[in-house]
Amino acid sequence: QQQVRQSPQSLTVWEGETTILNCSYEDSTFDYFPWYRQFPGKSPALLIAISLVSNKKEDGRFTIFFNKREKKLSLHITDSQPGDSATYFCAASDYGGSGNKLIFGTGTLLSVKP
Amino acid sequence: EAAVTQSPRNKVAVTGGKVTLSCNQTNNHNNMYWYRQDTGHGLRLIHYSYGAGSTEKGDIPDGYKASRPSQENFSLILELATPSQTSVYFCASGETKVFFGKGTRLTVV
Repeated sequence: QQQVRQSPQSLTVWEGETTILNCSYEDSTFDYFPWYRQFPGKSPALLIAISLVSNKKEDGRFTIFFNKREKKLSLHITDSQPGDSATYFCAASDYGGSGNKLIFGTGTLLSVKP
Repeated sequence: EAAVTQSPRNKVAVTGGKVTLSCNQTNNHNNMYWYRQDTGHGLRLIHYSYGAGSTEKGDIPDGYKASRPSQENFSLILELATPSQTSVYFCASGETKVFFGKGTRLTVV
C-alpha cells in the first residue's frame, strides 16, 4: 500500500504561473515531511521540509502548506521557471519517533513551458 | 556537502547470480537507506539502517539483503538476481537532511 500519495502524476504549466503539487499520507506517526527534487539523470536532493509543529514553511519561491487534520500537504511554486522542470517527491518520516524510516511518494513530473 | 559514494555505477548481472551493491558515506550519519527507482513507482525503500550492525526491512525487502558492517558502509545484496530486479538503485544517508548517491543502474539478463 502506498503510504505517501502524490497528485497529479504529471503537470505542465507556463512560465510565471504558480504550480501546486499535492501530497497526502495515512500514518499518524509521521512527523516530518521533506520534499525532494530530482532533475533528469540526477539524484534526488532536498528542496524544503516541514514538521508537525508548523502549518507553513517558506523558502523563496517554494512554500509548503500543511493541513494536519486532513493529513495533506501541498507545495506551491510561485513564478514557475523552466529551470523548475523536474520530478518532485513528497516524503514522510517518523523523525521524532524511531526517526529512521523515510518513505517517498511516487512523484510529480513538472514541466514548465517558456 | 555530504558525499555518498555508490559502486558500481553500472552493472549487468545474469539471472541467478549474486550481486552486491556498495555504498560509503563519510559524514558520520547514523541513518542509511537503499531505494530502488522505477518509472511510475517513485523511490521505494528496500532496507535501511540506523547504525553499524543494524538493518531493517523497508517496504519491498523480498529478494534483497542488507549489511551495515560499519558506520560508513552499507551494502545491498541480491543473492539470486532476477530480471524484475532490473532498476536504478540509490543509496542515501542522513537524518533530517538525507543525501543521495549518484545511483547504480542494474540490469539483470
